[in-house]
Amino acid sequence: SQKIEQNSEALNIQEGKTATLTCNYTNYSPAYLQWYRQDPGRGPVFLLLIRENEKEKRKERLKVTFDTTLKQSLFHITASQPADSATYLCALDPSGGYQKVTFGIGTKLQVIP
Amino acid sequence: DADVTQTPRNRITKTGKRIMLECSQTKGHDRMYWYRQDPGLGLRLIYYSFDVKDINKGEISDGYSVSRQAQAKFSLSLESAIPNQTALYFCATSDGTGVAEAFFGQGTRLTVV
Repeated sequence: SQKIEQNSEALNIQEGKTATLTCNYTNYSPAYLQWYRQDPGRGPVFLLLIRENEKEKRKERLKVTFDTTLKQSLFHITASQPADSATYLCALDPSGGYQKVTFGIGTKLQVIP
Repeated sequence: DADVTQTPRNRITKTGKRIMLECSQTKGHDRMYWYRQDPGLGLRLIYYSFDVKDINKGEISDGYSVSRQAQAKFSLSLESAIPNQTALYFCATSDGTGVAEAFFGQGTRLTVV
């Protein structure tokens, strides 16, 4: 069956360092991969989308990589700030129609001042 | 004002009661979705709708029903609430032009006692 794995353990990182979050998947061939941010008690907020034929995507301090051979996406936040503390979800989309998107459980990031 | 608004934000109800969660959006999107989020399980799709006349079951539709009253309104009903329906519920929208990010509401925390 399809499976998405994100670090279930929280990730603690010092302010100013680069945070790297991992999303691994099995039995899946996503055409697109998305990353969302979720704050406690709030809905997820879209951050970045990367296509299967793209290796890397950047937006300000955020960078996403997508390796379809390794079946892995890495999500990087450079120069991390306490305001980046949140849970980050990866979402795999096989077709771009969104109705078949599968979400990971998320990784909680804590940036320590 | 939020693009996607859910009411109520919090609700406690008794087993066996009927309850309706409401969602309205100002994005002008045709596609709307209902998800539930449980600790350790991530977001799971309950129902989705591509337009007013289109309703589709998602991964976990048993025990739920929906109504698409207008392009902007999509409600979720629990006909006879049970304790394992205690969860955080999210409504989301996306456009139908292809690869799409989703816009989520703030969520409804439902507790069934």
